[in-house]
Amino acid sequence: QKEVEQNSGPLSVPEGAIASLNCTYSDRGSQSFFWYRQYSGKSPELIMSIYSNGDKEDGRFTAQLNKASQYVSLLIRDSQPSDSATYLCAQGTFGNEKLTFGTGTRLTIIP
Amino acid sequence: DADVTQTPRNRITKTGKRIMLECSQTKGHDRMYWYRQDPGLGLQLIYYSFDVKDINKGEISDGYSVSRQAQAKFSLSLESAIPNQTALYFCATSDEGDSGRYTFGSGTRLTVV
Repeated sequence: QKEVEQNSGPLSVPEGAIASLNCTYSDRGSQSFFWYRQYSGKSPELIMSIYSNGDKEDGRFTAQLNKASQYVSLLIRDSQPSDSATYLCAQGTFGNEKLTFGTGTRLTIIP
Repeated sequence: DADVTQTPRNRITKTGKRIMLECSQTKGHDRMYWYRQDPGLGLQLIYYSFDVKDINKGEISDGYSVSRQAQAKFSLSLESAIPNQTALYFCATSDEGDSGRYTFGSGTRLTVV
C-alpha cells in the first residue's frame, strides 16, 4: 500500500464549479501535508500547506485535513481553465526531512 | 536565471553507459533532493542531502549514486544505465525553516535505449 493515495482521475469539472481533490495517507505520524500543482511538461509548484486539523483557505483554494480519518483534500472554488493540471498530494515526516508524494490527480476544467 | 537549474534538459543514452545529471541552485538552500517521475507512479525519492557531508538514500536508490560537490551543487549518476531508468528526473531544494516548500528544477528527461 502506498503511503499516500490519490485517485488518478482524470477529474473533469465545468468552469465555475467546485473541484474537489482527495488524498489519504497511511502514516499516522505524518505532521504536515502539501498540495503541489504540476502543469503538463512543467515542474511541480507548491500551492497549499496544512499542518492542523480543519480548513485552511487561500484565495480560491481550501485545504482540509482530518487526521483521525487520515485524509486531506483540496477544494478549488470557481474553477478556471487555468486550473487544469495534475495535483500532487504530499506528506512530510517530522521536521519535513523528506516529502512522500502521491501519484497525482489530473484535473481538467471544461469551459 | 532559474533558481534551480538542471542539465541536461533532455538526454538519450545507451544501455550500460554512465551518465551524470547535474543540479545547481542559487536559493541558498541547504537541502537538496533528487526525484524521478514515471507516469502513474508519481514522484519517487532517489537521494537527498541536507549538507555536503549528509547524504541519504531515498525509496529507490539502487542503480544511482550522488555527489554533493558544494552547497549549491548536487549531481545524480547512473553508473550503468538500463532502460527502466527512462524517466523524468527532478532536482529540488528546500530551506530548513520552510522545509516542505520545495523549489523544483525544470527536470531532465532521460531516455535509455
